[in-house]
Amino acid sequence: NAGVTQTPKFRVLKTGQSMTLLCAQDMNHEYMYWYRQDPGMGLRLIHYSVGEGTTAKGEVPDGYNVSRLKKQNFLLGLESAAPSQTSVYFCASSPTAYNEQFFGPGTRLTVL
Amino acid sequence: GNSVTQMEGPVTLSEEAFLTINCTYTATGYPSLFWYVQYPGEGLQLLLKATKADDKGSNKGFEATYRKETTSFHLEKGSVQVSDSAVYFCALRWDYGGSQGNLIFGKGTKLSVKP
Repeated sequence: NAGVTQTPKFRVLKTGQSMTLLCAQDMNHEYMYWYRQDPGMGLRLIHYSVGEGTTAKGEVPDGYNVSRLKKQNFLLGLESAAPSQTSVYFCASSPTAYNEQFFGPGTRLTVL
Repeated sequence: GNSVTQMEGPVTLSEEAFLTINCTYTATGYPSLFWYVQYPGEGLQLLLKATKADDKGSNKGFEATYRKETTSFHLEKGSVQVSDSAVYFCALRWDYGGSQGNLIFGKGTKLSVKP
């Protein structure tokens, strides 16, 4: 039981490049979330999903897209990376809206 | 809107010292409140929670009491250890009106415990 895993762990991009971050969970959770963590800012919600095939915007969605084609996977895409997207990205999942969220280990992204 | 304010760090303590990390919130009604901990190089883990006024959450020697009258959820531990060195996040979740479980986090407080 791996819990929540994130791929890759680290990535460096140049401005304008695109990439996809993968979050996978093996707990059969319905809800999945993408957060970004910036120094002095805590965690802020980017997008979330309440089940397979659904996505919704969080607090800071601009510049990101997401997809939840399979229940166990939640993908976060950056179509044209900007230096402002340099951050640590965390994925989380939970069985329902009212249960504990389980977090992945994070992806450190640097955009030059 | 809903928000969380927690004490700025970093906080440096000696082993066995008493710890308090202040957290206050702004929300209408009664949100659920949480403390998460992030150890170096890891993701966040739930430390404790409280879902209604006067509830006390506790885990691993840490405690926090949901105080409605002061809109606070301060984290305390009587005797910290080096292994408690981490970043601590206070968070709230609004559990009404079609909430999707979204957490609102404070900025985090980094704790360093020296032997």
